[in-house]
Amino acid sequence: SQQGEEDPQALSIQEGENATMNCSYKTSINNLQWYRQNSGRGLVHLILIRSNEREKHSGRLRVTLDTSKKSSSLLITASRAADTASYFCATDKNNAGNMLTFGGGTRLMVKP
Amino acid sequence: GAVVSQHPSRVICKSGTSVKIECRSLDFQATTMFWYRQFPKQSLMLMATSNEGSKATYEQGVEKDKFLINHASLTLSTLTVTSAHPEDSSFYICSARSGTSGGGDTDTQYFGPGTRLTVL
Repeated sequence: SQQGEEDPQALSIQEGENATMNCSYKTSINNLQWYRQNSGRGLVHLILIRSNEREKHSGRLRVTLDTSKKSSSLLITASRAADTASYFCATDKNNAGNMLTFGGGTRLMVKP
Repeated sequence: GAVVSQHPSRVICKSGTSVKIECRSLDFQATTMFWYRQFPKQSLMLMATSNEGSKATYEQGVEKDKFLINHASLTLSTLTVTSAHPEDSSFYICSARSGTSGGGDTDTQYFGPGTRLTVL
């Protein structure tokens, strides 16, 4: 069963705008990871944030983690048409052999 | 960065035949590999966890006799869909996790590009 719930399920924005996607989960975690998937392709690892971290940056990406609320957000700043893809959060639960449980994903469309 | 390949990328087969999908870690040793299935516009569902040299651990509801997994080396895992049926048509994705001495971030899973299986 999926642990994560992602919100929104679909997001459509104009190029240059910021895109924010949220992920909530139910159990305690070791870390949370964000992935990107272009249509019909494999997953690309974007960023990993550990349970003792609150915020992490990578280029135009900013990820936050609030373990008290069991939620995370992914912010893409100054979006580009090439950012159009599905974005998934995945949780690595404590002592679970590094199994990842994926959220339902957010389909982002960036209009040029 | 760590690279995982899958072969084939796309396969079409007749109902009743078996299909083997390979997953390889190209530049690191993967002590653990994972197999996922993804239906259109849905998320990834974990099918099984494969550890080198031991039997795979299957998720609830996944038939181990239908989805045979072999992890014979630290760089190769195979998934064989036996007696495939149209409902097995899906996108199969593997991922690999580096061991503590294999290079790469041990907490990160590196995903293959996926294999699209169509069963006629």
